[in-house]
Amino acid sequence: AQSVTQPDIHITVSEGASLELRCNYSYGATPYLFWYVQSPGQGLQLLLKYFSGDTLVQGIKGFEAEFKRSQSSFNLRKPSVHWSDAAEYFCAVGVMDSSYKLIFGSGTRLLVRP
Amino acid sequence: DVKVTQSSRYLVKRTGEKVFLECVQDMDHENMFWYRQDPGLGLRLIYFSYDVKMKEKGDIPEGYSVSREKKERFSLILESASTNQTSMYLCASSSDSNLYEQYFGPGTRLTVT
Repeated sequence: AQSVTQPDIHITVSEGASLELRCNYSYGATPYLFWYVQSPGQGLQLLLKYFSGDTLVQGIKGFEAEFKRSQSSFNLRKPSVHWSDAAEYFCAVGVMDSSYKLIFGSGTRLLVRP
Repeated sequence: DVKVTQSSRYLVKRTGEKVFLECVQDMDHENMFWYRQDPGLGLRLIYFSYDVKMKEKGDIPEGYSVSREKKERFSLILESASTNQTSMYLCASSSDSNLYEQYFGPGTRLTVT
């Protein structure tokens, strides 16, 4: 069965420090992968997506993610975190059947120290 | 920009009440989804619809039903609300040309007492 694991429930980083949020997936075929961000009290916003091609994808707000097939991972990175990046981040995999649904990880809450 | 709106940000209902959550999208998207979000569980799919009057069960449909009479509107119905349905409910939509790129509404936090 398809699944997404985000092993870190909470991560705290200092403003200006680099960030990496981990995501591992279980899926039989080449996955469609996504990262979403949810600011407090808001819906989810798409940060970036991977369908095929270059395994390093760029997204909005200075985020990037790298697809590593050998590790079944799609980790999210940012070289320098801003206080406004404090939010919850969700990794998701697209299920390629008639449902077109996304399977989400349980999320990682990012706290930013001033 | 795609806009997905939900009728209420916060809702408090009593056990046994019938509850309607409304979702409207303005981008002519074919596909619409209802998720519930619970701490530590991420988002779980309740129902989805890929066309007017069409609906499909997601992963946790029990206790819920849906209605899609118009392309832009997708309603989630709790026939008899229970306390274990206290949750955040998120609506999303996507187009047939970008099936997996879902756009989300702000969510409705439902409390059932």
